[in-house]
Amino acid sequence: RKEVEQDPGPFNVPEGATVAFNCTYSNSASQSFFWYRQDCRKEPKLLMSVYSSGNEDGRFTAQLNRASQYISLLIRDSKLSDSATYLCVTNSGGSNYKLTFGKGTLLTVNP
Amino acid sequence: DAGVIQSPRHEVTEMGQEVTLRCKPISGHDYLFWYRQTMMRGLELLIYFNNNVPIDDSGMPEDRFSAKMPNASFSTLKIQPSEPRDSAVYFCASSLRSGSGEQYFGPGTRLTVT
Repeated sequence: RKEVEQDPGPFNVPEGATVAFNCTYSNSASQSFFWYRQDCRKEPKLLMSVYSSGNEDGRFTAQLNRASQYISLLIRDSKLSDSATYLCVTNSGGSNYKLTFGKGTLLTVNP
Repeated sequence: DAGVIQSPRHEVTEMGQEVTLRCKPISGHDYLFWYRQTMMRGLELLIYFNNNVPIDDSGMPEDRFSAKMPNASFSTLKIQPSEPRDSAVYFCASSLRSGSGEQYFGPGTRLTVT
């Protein structure tokens, strides 16, 4: 089983739609969780950290369910500029600095 | 403020040749990471350094790969000899020890081995 699994998509949604991504992780010892965003042919960039209590950053909401070992990302009122691949990330190997990336979910927001 | 700098941005080489990828981390960052990204396997950590010392190289595929960090502002990833299956995008990233786990990635080197 892969350490971090995501639905690869693609998700095609119209502008203004709400879209949600889920990911599951296999290492129950993981302590840190993140969503990164990667534009086509660009480098990954941190979108937001995911906290146990859930957290929100503007139109983006991240949730963590430790019991089920899954992480979610909700994007409300999606914009054309949200089109990208979203990478689910956890730490691994007992280190806060060793990150394991999912293969990503591709989102395309259409006008 | 300069981000992580990688060179070259693109590299095309023939099987059997030596390839050297270069990285300059963000000044003041004490962690440096080398990743490889392919469609098949996604983004994989190859090796990471803390204060120029290799901490975990368990992701290095085989002895053909080696990485060095001679000082705080420079690191290299070398492949010798290169093989077609090494074709991928290689990213370097850096972070602060006191950071929240955020890693800052360079633009990557797109390597093609023919």
